[in-house]
Amino acid sequence: DSGVTQTPKHLITATGQRVTLRCSPRSGDLSVYWYQQSLDQGLQFLIHYYNGEERAKGNILERFSAQQFPDLHSELNLSSLELGDSALYFCASSDSGLGGAEQYFGPGTRLTVT
Amino acid sequence: DAKTTQPNSMESNEEEPVHLPCNHSTISGTDYIHWYRQLPSQGPEYVIHGLTSNVNNRMASLAIAEDRKSSTLILHRATLRDAAVYYCSLYGAGSYQLTFGKGTKLSVIP
Repeated sequence: DSGVTQTPKHLITATGQRVTLRCSPRSGDLSVYWYQQSLDQGLQFLIHYYNGEERAKGNILERFSAQQFPDLHSELNLSSLELGDSALYFCASSDSGLGGAEQYFGPGTRLTVT
Repeated sequence: DAKTTQPNSMESNEEEPVHLPCNHSTISGTDYIHWYRQLPSQGPEYVIHGLTSNVNNRMASLAIAEDRKSSTLILHRATLRDAAVYYCSLYGAGSYQLTFGKGTKLSVIP
């Protein structure tokens, strides 16, 4: 158990809908990262928040947004969903946002868009 | 962003050492080298990371080439529980993001 929790575990929704994925980092970790894992693209970095502030953005679509709240939990919002958004979404946390910090991953949310 | 290249798959006999190679020829001077592994139906798990010097921890060793253009993850005695996909990745100190390679699927033969 990494100490990172993600809810829900599974999500099935229709095209055009909007969903929210939630992540609670390990106690004391200030950084939260979001990743998308699909069969064809592998593990792709989406976005990084540090202590409530956006620190880095990867290949995140404009239909996707995220935020980190004062209690440090984070939410990833996916809107106008398309079939191609079906994937595993992981969040990870680390104690700092620096290169020397290991990241601890949650168990993921499996999103299926039908 | 710098990229990593790994073999798609490797096999090892149980209780033998495993050397998993990774090429990162475009690495920049401030990029950290991270290794993670992922078991089926689980999130990635941190294994080890380093910047310039070789590193050891309870799980593995990381050997980094002098020019930093390649690295090798060393599992000293493979067990069946080590069968997983191993990802070599780079954390850009300036970009604040981890870029994953495609991973090496390690099979351990009893």
